[in-house]
Amino acid sequence: DVVMTQSPLSLPVTLGQPASFSCRSSQSLLYTDGVTSLSWFHQRPGQSPRRLIYEVSRRDSGVPDRFSGSGSDTDFTLTISRVEAEDVGFYYCLQYTRWPYTFGQGTKLEI
Amino acid sequence: QVQLEQSGAEMKNPGASVKISCKASTYTFSTDFFHWVRQAPGQGPEWMGVMNLDTGEKRSAQKFQGRVTLARDTSTRTLYLEVSSLTSDDTALYYCTTDYAVIWGQGTMVTVSS
Repeated sequence: DVVMTQSPLSLPVTLGQPASFSCRSSQSLLYTDGVTSLSWFHQRPGQSPRRLIYEVSRRDSGVPDRFSGSGSDTDFTLTISRVEAEDVGFYYCLQYTRWPYTFGQGTKLEI
Repeated sequence: QVQLEQSGAEMKNPGASVKISCKASTYTFSTDFFHWVRQAPGQGPEWMGVMNLDTGEKRSAQKFQGRVTLARDTSTRTLYLEVSSLTSDDTALYYCTTDYAVIWGQGTMVTVSS
């Protein structure tokens, strides 16, 4: 199975400041069709996860443009340009290039 | 837009089985694949398996093979996840989600305790 490793596990930030989340995969997520299937999710306590980013850098509809994704191969980053109070919670990466799909263990964003 | 409505919370004894349902309200999504994901308390999500509501094609993670059954009812657009031989390690929130994890159900809490 592809192991997804996120860091840090906890990320304390100040409102208005940037935040950066790292996700590394144990195998390349680049498929033969040229697509890299890596998504980012945000989960608030008591809520279902919400997808923010897919295929490394494509933002979902309704996701503020302060969220951006980057990376390639085995190394990926989610960046929040200016953290707002509503951004608190856990952030997870998911790879869906290879079976079985696997999630990272998550990073907790704290303000 | 598709909405996923899951069945209610369950409490089970160790060794028992549980069957969870997920009803897909409308068909306006690009694919008919639906996934099952679980999340133990304080843990990250864990992918369990996937089923095509139309064709019945299915696949589950090797970790769960032999203990997990995926089923569907095409007439009601309902998917089912059954987990057998429950242990306390199966205590978790169980989610169904559309392909690519765009839309999630509200989750079904399964508690395994004697």
